Amino acid sequence: DIQMTQSPSSLSASIGDRVTITCRASQGISNYLAWYQQKPGKVPKLLIYAASTLQSGVPSRFSGSGSGTDFTLTISSLQPEDVATYYCQKYNSAPRTFGQGTKVDIK
Amino acid sequence: QVQLQQWGAGLLKPSETLSLTCAVYVGSFSGYYWSWIRQSPGKGLEWIGEINHGGTTNYNPSLKSRVTISVDTSKNQFSLKLSSVTAADTAVYYCARVGDGNNPPPGYWGQGTPVTVSS
Repeated sequence: DIQMTQSPSSLSASIGDRVTITCRASQGISNYLAWYQQKPGKVPKLLIYAASTLQSGVPSRFSGSGSGTDFTLTISSLQPEDVATYYCQKYNSAPRTFGQGTKVDIK
Repeated sequence: QVQLQQWGAGLLKPSETLSLTCAVYVGSFSGYYWSWIRQSPGKGLEWIGEINHGGTTNYNPSLKSRVTISVDTSKNQFSLKLSSVTAADTAVYYCARVGDGNNPPPGYWGQGTPVTVSS
């Protein structure tokens, strides 16, 4: 089965910083990758699908890129409300594995 | 706007069977895979398995021996059973429609059901 590995596992950044999270698949998954944001005690929220398509209503400071095995989620200017844990998920085939998550907080 | 509403027992004893149901309101039920996902306290998201309206299932290999997912198309509902639970199965369980090879994820998730396994 394909494994999904995120890095880093956590990061601290200042308001306004550019933040980059990486997700690597152990085998190629084309662009069948989604990114989710989860705040404490809340249901995960879809941010991006098809590796780079922004879900409706998601702020444009979020962007995604990549294809094959290497993917990136970027927050262009970190805001206080972006404090959360971010997960990637492959969905090309089962099992629809998640990455282990990246916790983002404010420095 | 599709809504997923889930319910089931929240407190179990070791060796019992976890049982949860998720109802899909509004929108199409057929043509998609419907998933169960869980999150243990302080941990990440774990995909448990999925079913489509025709009853085709896929399971996480790590849980496959204990998981059964079923569907009731007359009610637009799907259910999860996890047998022989232990404390390690304590988690918040979500139903959701995530993406599959033919459809991108729409971001439809249930509200989550906390399940505690304790003697």
